[in-house]
Amino acid sequence: DAEITQSPRHKITETGRQVTLACHQTWNHNNMFWYRQDLGHGLRLIHYSYGVHDTNKGEVSDGYSVSRSNTEDLPLTLESAASSQTSVYFCASSDNDEQYFGPGTRLTVT
Amino acid sequence: AQTVTQSQPEMSVQEAETVTLSCTYDTSESDYYLFWYKQPPSRQMILVIRQEAYKQQNATENRFSVNFQKAAKSFSLKISDSQLGDAAMYFCAYRPYTGTASKLTFGTGTRLQVTL
Repeated sequence: DAEITQSPRHKITETGRQVTLACHQTWNHNNMFWYRQDLGHGLRLIHYSYGVHDTNKGEVSDGYSVSRSNTEDLPLTLESAASSQTSVYFCASSDNDEQYFGPGTRLTVT
Repeated sequence: AQTVTQSQPEMSVQEAETVTLSCTYDTSESDYYLFWYKQPPSRQMILVIRQEAYKQQNATENRFSVNFQKAAKSFSLKISDSQLGDAAMYFCAYRPYTGTASKLTFGTGTRLQVTL
């Protein structure tokens, strides 16, 4: 069965370190998205991609970057982790219809 | 920019009763999709129901139905015969209809508690 996976599921890191969260989907979807979930804010879009080599900024993109070298993967990088980036991160993919979400990564920046 | 508002941070319902979760949105588009997602304690985001704005008929999925009022920009979710497994966070979301612009805009969520 097709699926979307995220790794790691939990991560603790220190302020200033570079962190990369992985997202892998086997749906063969062109569209992929990264969201962060915080209390009182729901899910907010960080970055998204409509295909290989395409990346776009979402509403909360500062301090994050993504790259899309193939259809299956959209890794999210925190260049220099900050305490404000402590959150739960969700990856999603879609074929212009329903979005399918990964299980989430809980990131703690100490 | 589109916005989605869920004004009820928490709701409670007794098992077997009916509950309605509210959602309003703001958009200048005429064609779009609306969704309700459920997030149980496992954190997994689960699509509950979707509504295409061009359809006048309200969507229904088993015990879940919506009341879509396009002119009022209102999209409420009704859960009938509530079950303990319905306890979760519920998010309302909006998506433009346009081609590849499939980004979702979420509300802040409503936590639903189901009591015996």
